[in-house]
Amino acid sequence: KQEVTQIPAALSVPEGENLVLNCSFTDSAIYNLQWFRQDPGKGLTSLLLIQSSQREQTSGRLNASLDKSSGRSTLYIAASQPGDSATYLCAVLIYNQGGKLIFGQGTELSVKP
Amino acid sequence: DVKVTQSSRYLVKRTGEKVFLECVQDMDHENMFWYRQDPGLGLRLIYFSYDVKMKEKGDIPEGYSVSREKKERFSLILESASTNQTSMYLCASRGDLSSYNEQFFGPGTRLTVL
Repeated sequence: KQEVTQIPAALSVPEGENLVLNCSFTDSAIYNLQWFRQDPGKGLTSLLLIQSSQREQTSGRLNASLDKSSGRSTLYIAASQPGDSATYLCAVLIYNQGGKLIFGQGTELSVKP
Repeated sequence: DVKVTQSSRYLVKRTGEKVFLECVQDMDHENMFWYRQDPGLGLRLIYFSYDVKMKEKGDIPEGYSVSREKKERFSLILESASTNQTSMYLCASRGDLSSYNEQFFGPGTRLTVL
C-alpha cells in the first residue's frame, strides 16, 4: 500500500531564506507526483507536476525534483516571502485503484517578515 | 485555466437534513472526485467517478452518495446529515489516467451540521 510522508510537519523561516520541503513515498509505481499549496480555509492550488519519467520541474521561484528509485521528492523555494506562508502537500498518482492521488499530511510553512 | 467550481463556500444544515453539494468543471475532464478534509486526518477520498453515470467508492463512502448525470457535474449527497459530517468538502477533476494530467481542486465547501 502506497504511503506518502512529508517532513517536517511545520517549518518557520525568516523572509529571504531558501528552503526545502521533503516528500517520500513507499512504492515507485507512480504516474506522476504533484505539489499543491493550500491557504487556510481554501482549496488546493496545483503548483508543479512531475511526470514519472522526469527528474525536475521549475516554475518561478519553485523547483521540484523527483527520484523515483529512492521514493523521494523535494520542493525548493528560493528567496522565500511572507506570501509563501501556507500548507504544502505532495501527492502521487498511483497505477492501481483507478488512478487515486495519495496525499502526504502536508508541511505548514510560515515565512516571517 | 481549468476551473472547478463548488456551489457554496459555506453551508449550515440541521441534523437529519438531506444535503446536496454540487461541483462543476469546465475542462471536459473524465475523472471527478469528492474529498473531505479534517484537522489531523488530512484529505480522505469519499467517492470518485471516471465517466458519466459511473461511480466508485473511495476510502470513506459511508453516509454519502453521489450522482454524475453530466460529464461536467458531480454531486455529493448526504442523505441524512449528521454532526460528524461537519467538515471541509473538496471537489477535484482530472483528465484521463496518464502521467501528464494534473488534478485540479475547487475552492471547497465548509459544511457545518448542527
